[in-house]
Amino acid sequence: DGGITQSPKYLFRKEGQNVTLSCEQNLNHDAMYWYRQDPGQGLRLIYYSQIVNDFQKGDIAEGYSVSREKKESFPLTVTSAQKNPTAFYLCASSISLTGLSSYEQYFGPGTRLTVT
Amino acid sequence: AQKVTQAQTEISVVEKEDVTLDCVYETRDTTYYLFWYKQPPSGELVFLIRRNSFDEQNEISGRYSWNFQKSTSSFNFTITASQVVDSAVYFCALSPDAGRRALTFGSGTRLQVQP
Repeated sequence: DGGITQSPKYLFRKEGQNVTLSCEQNLNHDAMYWYRQDPGQGLRLIYYSQIVNDFQKGDIAEGYSVSREKKESFPLTVTSAQKNPTAFYLCASSISLTGLSSYEQYFGPGTRLTVT
Repeated sequence: AQKVTQAQTEISVVEKEDVTLDCVYETRDTTYYLFWYKQPPSGELVFLIRRNSFDEQNEISGRYSWNFQKSTSSFNFTITASQVVDSAVYFCALSPDAGRRALTFGSGTRLQVQP
C-alpha cells in the first residue's frame, strides 16, 4: 500500500535532548513537508523540500533541522534550542514540482512529542 | 502574506442537520489553490477537495458541497444530512501556484455531530 509513515506515534524526551522524527513515503512524491500542530490551532510549516538534497525553512524553523538525502525520506530533528517542542508533528508529501500546479498534500499519521 | 480565517471554533449539530463551515482567505497571488482537510480524532489529515482560483464552480460530492466565491474571498463547506462519523476538526488551507507551495492553514473548526 502506498502512503506516508511516521514513527513513532508517541515520543517522550527529557529537556535538553535532541530527538529525530521519522517520515517515509512510498508515493514517489517529490515534495515533502513538516508541520507542527498545537492544541486548538492549525498547522504551521516548519520545513519543506521540493527535491532531494534541497530544503527550505518554513515559518517556524528555529530549533529544528532536516535532511533530504533520499526521495522517500525527510527526517526532522527537534533540537534542544527549540524552546517549546511539545506538539503534534505531521509530515506530508505531494507531487508538486517547481513549475507545475499545486497539488494536494497527503499526510502521515503524525508523531506526538512530549518533552519534560 | 497569506492568511486563512475560520471564525467558527466549534459547531455542534444533531444528526441529519445540515451544517456549513466558513472559510475566508487573504492572498495577493492571482493564482492560488484552496483546500479542505478533515482531521478525525486519530489525528491524520484527510484530503477532501482542491479548488483552483480560476474555477468558481461549486462542487458537490455526495453529502459534501463547496461554495467558492472569489468576490468575497470565501470557500465555504457544507455537509448535508450530517452523520456522527462527520465529527472531526475541519481545516481550510491556501497555497500559491508558484514559489513556496506549502499550505497556509486556518485554525480549524471542530464539528460535533450528536446522535
